[in-house]
Amino acid sequence: AQSVAQPEDQVNVAEGNPLTVKCTYSVSGNPYLFWYVQYPNRGLQFLLKYITGDNLVKGSYGFEAEFNKSQTSFHLKKPSALVSDSALYFCAVSVNAGNMLTFGGGTRLMVKP
Amino acid sequence: DTGVSQNPRHKITKRGQNVTFRCDPISEHNRLYWYRQTLGQGPEFLTYFQNEAQLEKSRLLSDRFSAERPKGSFSTLEIQRTEQGDSAMYLCASSLVGTARNEQFFGPGTRLTVL
Repeated sequence: AQSVAQPEDQVNVAEGNPLTVKCTYSVSGNPYLFWYVQYPNRGLQFLLKYITGDNLVKGSYGFEAEFNKSQTSFHLKKPSALVSDSALYFCAVSVNAGNMLTFGGGTRLMVKP
Repeated sequence: DTGVSQNPRHKITKRGQNVTFRCDPISEHNRLYWYRQTLGQGPEFLTYFQNEAQLEKSRLLSDRFSAERPKGSFSTLEIQRTEQGDSAMYLCASSLVGTARNEQFFGPGTRLTVL
């Protein structure tokens, strides 16, 4: 069985400061890892994914994520937060391209001016 | 690329009634997925299709739930004899497996409220 943990329900950060949203996973085999963002009353928007290759993955809107196999983590990062980044962020894992996604419980990011 | 669309966006029904939701995937996407999201939780997988074939169903998909993708394009999700516990956001996603851009793209969802 596969699972994802997002240990923080909410992350607060000041605008302009770096942000990190944590994610750890459990899966049999090599993981396919994803980050999605959800704004109020809107569907999930894809941010970035890790399939193979470089452990540092760059995605949309200046976000990046670092894959760490030994720690089974895939933390989302951004060097300088914007107020408009405030939203609900979901980490997800799959065992193969195109298979079902297993999501974490989500982390609400609040960026204050 | 017009995105994944879902109809209706909102549905309010009384307990015991049947409801049907429709999902139109991104054209030429070969896989289509259904997820359910309750308030404060991450989406949970329900089922997915490869073209018109239903490949996998979650244990969450009780016998009151049925999904179809008859021509490998749009899909419908029907819930029979709705219960209050069925109240949730139902999300549809599609992907094009076999290419580099194989991530799932999600629609806006259908919010179901069962009274």
